[in-house]
Amino acid sequence: GDSVTQMEGPVTLSEEAFLTINCTYTATGYPSLFWYVQYPGEGLQLLLKATKADDKGSNKGFEATYRKETTSFHLEKGSVQVSDSAVYFCALSDYGNEKLTFGTGTRLTIIP
Amino acid sequence: NAGVTQTPKFRILKIGQSMTLQCTQDMNHNYMYWYRQDPGMGLKLIYYSVGAGITDKGEVPNGYNVSRSTTEDFPLRLELAAPSQTSVYFCASSSPTGYSYEQYFGPGTRLTVT
Repeated sequence: GDSVTQMEGPVTLSEEAFLTINCTYTATGYPSLFWYVQYPGEGLQLLLKATKADDKGSNKGFEATYRKETTSFHLEKGSVQVSDSAVYFCALSDYGNEKLTFGTGTRLTIIP
Repeated sequence: NAGVTQTPKFRILKIGQSMTLQCTQDMNHNYMYWYRQDPGMGLKLIYYSVGAGITDKGEVPNGYNVSRSTTEDFPLRLELAAPSQTSVYFCASSSPTGYSYEQYFGPGTRLTVT
C-alpha cells in the first residue's frame, strides 16, 4: 500500500537558517504530493503541491521538487522565520484516489 | 466563503456518553473526510464520503458513525465514548483538480473523554 516517511522531529533552528525536511514515499501508482502545515491550535493548511515528476511546488518561500527517481519530496526554505514554527506534514494521493496518506509530521521550532 | 467549519471547538465527555461532531463546508465539494489526530501523531482517517448518501470506512472506524444527507454536512457520531477516543478531530473536504484531490481542513474539535 501507499506510505509516507518523514524526517523525525522535532527540529529546532535559528532564525534565517536553511531548512530541509525530508520526505520519501511509496505508492502503487503515480501519486500527487503535498506539504501541509499546521500552526498551533489550527487545522491543516495546504502549503504546496506537485502533481508530476520534476514539478516544483512553491509557496511562502518554501519549495519542494517531485523526484520520481528517488521517490522523494523534500521541503526546503532558504531563510526561516519565527512565524514558520509549526508542524509540517508530507502527504500523497495516488492517481485518481480521493484519499490522502499522511506522514507522521515534523514539528519545527524557530528560535529568534 | 467560510470553507470548512466544525463545532464544537472543545468538548469534555464522560465515559459512556454520546455526542455528534458537526462539520459543514460551503465549497460544494463532493468529498468529505473525518480524521483523528492523537498527540504527536499523524492523521488517521475515520470515515469518508464521496457524495450525499455514500459513506465508507477509513483506517479507524470503530466506535464512530457518520451520515451524509446533504452535500454540505458530514456529522460524526460517537456512541459510548471511551478514553481511547480522546483526540483532536478534523473534518476536511475536497474536489478533484485533474487527478489530484487537494483537501481543505476545518479548525478541529478537541475532545477529552474522562
